[in-house]
Amino acid sequence: DTGVSQDPRHKITKRGQNVTFRCDPISEHNRLYWYRQTLGQGPEFLTYFQNEAQLEKSRLLSDRFSAERPKGSFSTLEIQRTEQGDSAMYLCASSSTGAGEEAFFGQGTRLTVV
Amino acid sequence: AQKVTQAQTEISVVEKEDVTLDCVYETRDTTYYLFWYKQPPSGELVFLIRRNSFDEQNEISGRYSWNFQKSTSSFNFTITASQVVDSAVYFCALNGGSSNTGKLIFGQGTTLQVKP
Repeated sequence: DTGVSQDPRHKITKRGQNVTFRCDPISEHNRLYWYRQTLGQGPEFLTYFQNEAQLEKSRLLSDRFSAERPKGSFSTLEIQRTEQGDSAMYLCASSSTGAGEEAFFGQGTRLTVV
Repeated sequence: AQKVTQAQTEISVVEKEDVTLDCVYETRDTTYYLFWYKQPPSGELVFLIRRNSFDEQNEISGRYSWNFQKSTSSFNFTITASQVVDSAVYFCALNGGSSNTGKLIFGQGTTLQVKP
């Protein structure tokens, strides 16, 4: 396994359009996380899955955001009606189940809304 | 509430100098985990170290060392004899053990520039 992979690496979209990002975690990891990182800031937690169940969502995740992890494998993050404030790096991470397990991150999808 | 503070926004050193990155955290959990990650220009966060709240032993790994002090809620990271390849953004992160979700609370990061 080569680690967490994300697609696409870069996305430029016009305001109001919908975008979808994909994350493929490390295959044996049960947990999958989405984070958002803006310039000069640390990553901020968006949502978390254990297998196919979405167990926690941040208040940052507005109604325009939806995430899925069908069959507990890959995950998608969709943003509807994008706004300029959505421009950021979207990071996916995965980890094993267990307290304090380190998370392994993908290279992220950089979204630019114009 | 949980919080991580990295007061140093940017640090610039000359190669071979030692440098310490500061991290202060806040949590009400008695069991928690602290992490350091490195983010090179490529963007991928690279795991460096994890400590749990019951293990205050300092750790050394090659040129890297970590000083965890519960009394001051600090988890500082030192790079000895810095190299240009150490240039990156470094993040300290906290995972509260009581929630057991693995969710990380990150500091704002410290950008380290090592000049030749």
